[in-house]
Amino acid sequence: AQSVTQPDIHITVSEGASLELRCNYSYGATPYLFWYVQSPGQGLQLLLKYFSGDTLVQGIKGFEAEFKRSQSSFNLRKPSVHWSDAAEYFCAVGGNTGKLIFGQGTTLQVKP
Amino acid sequence: DTAVSQTPKYLVTQMGNDKSIKCEQNLGHDTMYWYKQDSKKFLKIMFSYNNKELIINETVPNRFSPKSPDKAHLNLHINSLELGDSAVYFCASEGRYNEQFFGPGTRLTVL
Repeated sequence: AQSVTQPDIHITVSEGASLELRCNYSYGATPYLFWYVQSPGQGLQLLLKYFSGDTLVQGIKGFEAEFKRSQSSFNLRKPSVHWSDAAEYFCAVGGNTGKLIFGQGTTLQVKP
Repeated sequence: DTAVSQTPKYLVTQMGNDKSIKCEQNLGHDTMYWYKQDSKKFLKIMFSYNNKELIINETVPNRFSPKSPDKAHLNLHINSLELGDSAVYFCASEGRYNEQFFGPGTRLTVL
């Protein structure tokens, strides 16, 4: 069955510190992988996506993610977090079925 | 220009009422979706339409009826609203590689 697991429900980091949000997926074929960010009261904004090719993908707002097929992971990273990065982050997996399966989300809190 | 827009942003209504949410996308995509986000922020797909045809219906109660007058619009009508329908409803439009572009959401509160 297709699924996405975000093991960390809530993460707190200090402003300026590095960030890694974990995402593990289960998918029967070559996955398309996505990270979205949702600020309070807002819709979801696409941060980055992986379809094929280079396993390290760059996104908006200084985020990057690395696809590791052997670990079924697609972790999101940022070298230096800003207070404005505080939000809910969702990992999602899709493919040629047209359906996106979302993880439960990780709430990021940024300490000044 | 807003890529995916939804109206209304907030909807407060009584149990048993019927309400509609409208969605429009100007991205030229063929496929649109409705998602429900519950109070724990979990996102669940409800429906998908491709060029006005229903292609995904995820065991949603038949009180929920989507309608797509053209491929740029996907509306959601809900009959006989129940307390459990309270949630945020998101419309999304799908790009070439399954990436989805979301609207701002409609927060539905059923009293």
